[in-house]
Amino acid sequence: EPEVTQTPSHQVTQMGQEVILRCVPISNHLYFYWYRQILGQKVEFLVSFYNNEISEKSEIFDDQFSVERPDGSNFTLKIRSTKLEDSAMYFCASRRTGTGELFFGEGSRLTVL
Amino acid sequence: GQQVMQIPQYQHVQEGEDFTTYCNSSTTLSNIQWYKQRPGGHPVFLIQLVKSGEVKKQKRLTFQFGEAKKNSSLHITATQTTDVGTYFCAGRNNAGNMLTFGGGTRLMVKP
Repeated sequence: EPEVTQTPSHQVTQMGQEVILRCVPISNHLYFYWYRQILGQKVEFLVSFYNNEISEKSEIFDDQFSVERPDGSNFTLKIRSTKLEDSAMYFCASRRTGTGELFFGEGSRLTVL
Repeated sequence: GQQVMQIPQYQHVQEGEDFTTYCNSSTTLSNIQWYKQRPGGHPVFLIQLVKSGEVKKQKRLTFQFGEAKKNSSLHITATQTTDVGTYFCAGRNNAGNMLTFGGGTRLMVKP
């Protein structure tokens, strides 16, 4: 069964460093998302992406965040200068046109020291 | 902005007991989805409800969408230890693409 894959599974970084989280959405999906979940808390929307541009973003997704689809398969989330409060599990998700179901990846755990 | 709230936050039940989680949105939704997240896992889609007053069943799970399309519930009959996890509702409003998750209800089942 096709699945969303994310790398790395865990990244530890120093405060102020740049981080890139990578996702490979399911191949025939056209809508892509990033969510984050601070340990034990709710799943928070960051950004949605369609047709090579951001379609919606939340207040969390400030100037320190950016997304890119550099080629036909990858979808990346970049955090320019990480802060302690960016420590969380970051989930990538994708969905097909015409359906609502989101398929989530296993997540990338980011720890900022 | 749109807010989605869930209660209770936690629920301990004895295996075999029933369980219900409730979800309320601050705005009218175009649809509502339910996801299950096992401990250490990622959210997995369970179901989507679209119509006002809709009720759907999946084996021991019953999902309901309110008449005003602002609330929903998930009821599990005769819980099993495999039901352990956090159940999230997630609502999409009429405006766009964004799916807003509720805070989740963490279900613990004692064997």
